[in-house]
Amino acid sequence: GAVVSQHPSWVICKSGTSVKIECRSLDFQATTMFWYRQFPKQSLMLMATSNEGSKATYEQGVEKDKFLINHASLTLSTLTVTSAHPEDSSFYICSARDLQGTETQYFGPGTRLLVL
Amino acid sequence: DAKTTQPTSMDCAEGRAANLPCNHSTISGNEYVYWYRQIHSQGPQYIIHGLKNNETNEMASLIITEDRKSSTLILPHATLRDTAVYYCIVTTDNAGNMLTFGGGTRLMVKP
Repeated sequence: GAVVSQHPSWVICKSGTSVKIECRSLDFQATTMFWYRQFPKQSLMLMATSNEGSKATYEQGVEKDKFLINHASLTLSTLTVTSAHPEDSSFYICSARDLQGTETQYFGPGTRLLVL
Repeated sequence: DAKTTQPTSMDCAEGRAANLPCNHSTISGNEYVYWYRQIHSQGPQYIIHGLKNNETNEMASLIITEDRKSSTLILPHATLRDTAVYYCIVTTDNAGNMLTFGGGTRLMVKP
């Protein structure tokens, strides 16, 4: 299957700093990528849909100015958590759909963020 | 997207078949049934999907009832590495649409 990578795999930062998480499709192109967040013992919650060359679409309750998404190319989307606070500590996961339309979304391994 | 209902947890003996049920009684004609699993602290892994017909791949089999209101994911010979949370998701548009994750079934494969 197609491979999606995320970097970093984990990050610890101080409250008030910004953290950038990268999501890459390694062997396919993706016009659409999705960002999810998962708190302990909970299911994945969609945060936003990232579209190459256009603005991201955010789910209700997700602050677009706090979670900046950039989808600059067909293989890279970035999520920046601005002015992070302890309540932003979570497991962030991206997914990407193969441009060739294989009817499948592939997920990255996730990035664990801990804000102190 | 139609809502799905899955048992919260299931146990399975190693080497035996694991049968994971999913109810999706409000599924519409153009909605697919997808199965993903999430091993602890990892991203979800695609398993299989189908529209009407039963499907099989190297990982699992998907049995969809004729009325499409329920389905069963079958892991033919469960191993300890199959311990994970299994998500049944119903969605339109060939997964180009977003996936809505429910609670899933926590499968514990025991020696």
